[in-house]
Amino acid sequence: GQNIDQPTEMTATEGAIVQINCTYQTSGFNGLFWYQQHAGEAPTFLSYNVLDGLEEKGRFSSFLSRSKGYSYLLLKELQMKDSASYLCAATDSNYQLIWGAGTKLIIKP
Amino acid sequence: NAGVTQTPKFRVLKTGQSMTLLCAQDMNHEYMYWYRQDPGMGLRLIHYSVGEGTTAKGEVPDGYNVSRLKKQNFLLGLESAAPSQTSVYFCASTRVVDTGELFFGEGSRLTVL
Repeated sequence: GQNIDQPTEMTATEGAIVQINCTYQTSGFNGLFWYQQHAGEAPTFLSYNVLDGLEEKGRFSSFLSRSKGYSYLLLKELQMKDSASYLCAATDSNYQLIWGAGTKLIIKP
Repeated sequence: NAGVTQTPKFRVLKTGQSMTLLCAQDMNHEYMYWYRQDPGMGLRLIHYSVGEGTTAKGEVPDGYNVSRLKKQNFLLGLESAAPSQTSVYFCASTRVVDTGELFFGEGSRLTVL
């Protein structure tokens, strides 16, 4: 079957660094996405990885290891506005997105 | 630039009633999707469309129908609403299916009593 696993909830301190992990099992693989979703709002795109390695975009970075079926999202210099759910999604061989349940990130002052 | 617009934003239905959710996008995207989002679960694909006049079933299509008569609009219908269809519904669109980011509407919160 197809499955995405990510932690349900994480807590971090303002100004710190947090890493949100995601493991995936899909029928074929055509890339991995991270989305941010604030409570009561729609998901918004953060990053896309299809090759192994780290993609950096400002305070956010995303890493992919295809051989391990593993990705992480790294958030640096955490701000209160980063409190949100972070959704991991992998694209299968039919280019359909398989979504994780999301990781709720709580930032404390 | 409106992006993806969903109507209505909120709706309360009684069991057995029918309704239609409208999704409109102004980005000339070919691909459009309807998802539902329930607590503790990932987004689940209901139906999708790869272009005007086409529709296909997703992961959880039962109890829903869709139509895409115009490229910019994707309609989701509930034929006979059930309490299990209480959820938040998101419409999304993208230009390219492989690497393209999804643009989401604001969501429609549906409660079926």
